[in-house]
Amino acid sequence: GENVEQHPSTLSVQEGDSAVIKCTYSDSASNYFPWYKQELGKRPQLIIDIRSNVGEKKDQRIAVTLNKTAKHFSLHITETQPEDSAVYFCAASTNAGKSTFGDGTTLTVKP
Amino acid sequence: GAVVSQHPSRVICKSGTSVKIECRSLDFQATTMFWYRQFPKQSLMLMATSNEGSKATYEQGVEKDKFLINHASLTLSTLTVTSAHPEDSSFYICSASLLAGVAEQFFGPGTRLTVL
Repeated sequence: GENVEQHPSTLSVQEGDSAVIKCTYSDSASNYFPWYKQELGKRPQLIIDIRSNVGEKKDQRIAVTLNKTAKHFSLHITETQPEDSAVYFCAASTNAGKSTFGDGTTLTVKP
Repeated sequence: GAVVSQHPSRVICKSGTSVKIECRSLDFQATTMFWYRQFPKQSLMLMATSNEGSKATYEQGVEKDKFLINHASLTLSTLTVTSAHPEDSSFYICSASLLAGVAEQFFGPGTRLTVL
């Protein structure tokens, strides 16, 4: 089955700096890669996603890059703000919709 | 659009009792729903995939007789934790796909289960 590895497990940055979280996956059949932000006790919220026919996608301060050949994808957050502090999960999915999640990254943005 | 609800949001029960959690897609028909379990400070672990009108597909290591899943309609799936024990205490989250074969999932708000 699919295996998703996510790094780092914790990340602390100064407000205004950039944050980068990286994930690798193993199943070449995976073709949909969402990123979720989860606050304590809440549901995961989709913040950005990318499909395998695209190499990069950007939405304001958030961007995701995908390297299908190397089977890795990354989340980039620029100009970080304290409200960006949360746990971020990457996931890899196939057309069947079944998602495998990474272990999560706890991002702390210091004011 | 694409709103998923869960009920109850929190439940506390005694060891040995059964607990039912409902997952509803409020404004769309979900052919497929997924059930996840999340322990504190851990990731979401897929328990089973639920398809309307058919038996659920369970992930390896998940006991199908303990975690009963019923997907009776295109808007409702239920998870029943039977004979709950303290180690079943967790955050249970469902999600639903808008269309068959489309990977994007919409998550419910989760149910916090505490077994005493």
